[in-house]
Amino acid sequence: EIVMTQSPATLSVSPGERATLSCRASQSVDINVAWYQQKTGQAPRLLIYGASTRATGISARFRGSGSGTDFTLTISGLQSDDFAVYYCQQYNDWPPLTFGQGTRLEIK
Amino acid sequence: QVQLVQSGTEVKKPGASVTVSCKASGYTFSNYGIIWVRQAPGQGLEWMGWIYGYNGDTKSAQKFQGRVTMTTDTSTSTAYMELRSLTSDDTAVYYCARGGHGYSMVWGQGTLVTVSS
Repeated sequence: EIVMTQSPATLSVSPGERATLSCRASQSVDINVAWYQQKTGQAPRLLIYGASTRATGISARFRGSGSGTDFTLTISGLQSDDFAVYYCQQYNDWPPLTFGQGTRLEIK
Repeated sequence: QVQLVQSGTEVKKPGASVTVSCKASGYTFSNYGIIWVRQAPGQGLEWMGWIYGYNGDTKSAQKFQGRVTMTTDTSTSTAYMELRSLTSDDTAVYYCARGGHGYSMVWGQGTLVTVSS
């Protein structure tokens, strides 16, 4: 099973600034990584797939990068609506599909 | 529009079974799979399994094998997930999501399952 490890667990950033979230896979997953945003009481929302392709309707402020084992989600110009929990997920080798444990992005 | 609508909140006693339904609309059901993911209170996302709408082929997480059954009804574009022998550890929100290439653009609204004596 491929383990996805996200860091940090919590990230405090001021509105307008940039947030950088990391995700590391326990073995290579090529570019088969997705990122999701989840707000309290809501279902996850797909942001990025293929490590760097934005899903339909996702702002260009969200940028995904990486390949192999190391991946990054960068959110620029943070807005109040961006403060949420973010999950990475690998789909290179499954079952099982595996998620990271999440990074909580909070207002500084 | 493409959407998945799940069944409502369930309260079950330990040892019971629960079935959650997920009705798809706005796309050709048999062209995609449905994945099931759960989220315990305050915890992260846990993948449970996947079922292909076309032929009912399934894959499930090892921890749920023998305890979970996923089915589909193509005539109503509905997927079902039955989880048996419930314990308090199964208290969670259960989500279905459209599974294409391994990631999911479309999610159901979630179904809260509470297991309590």
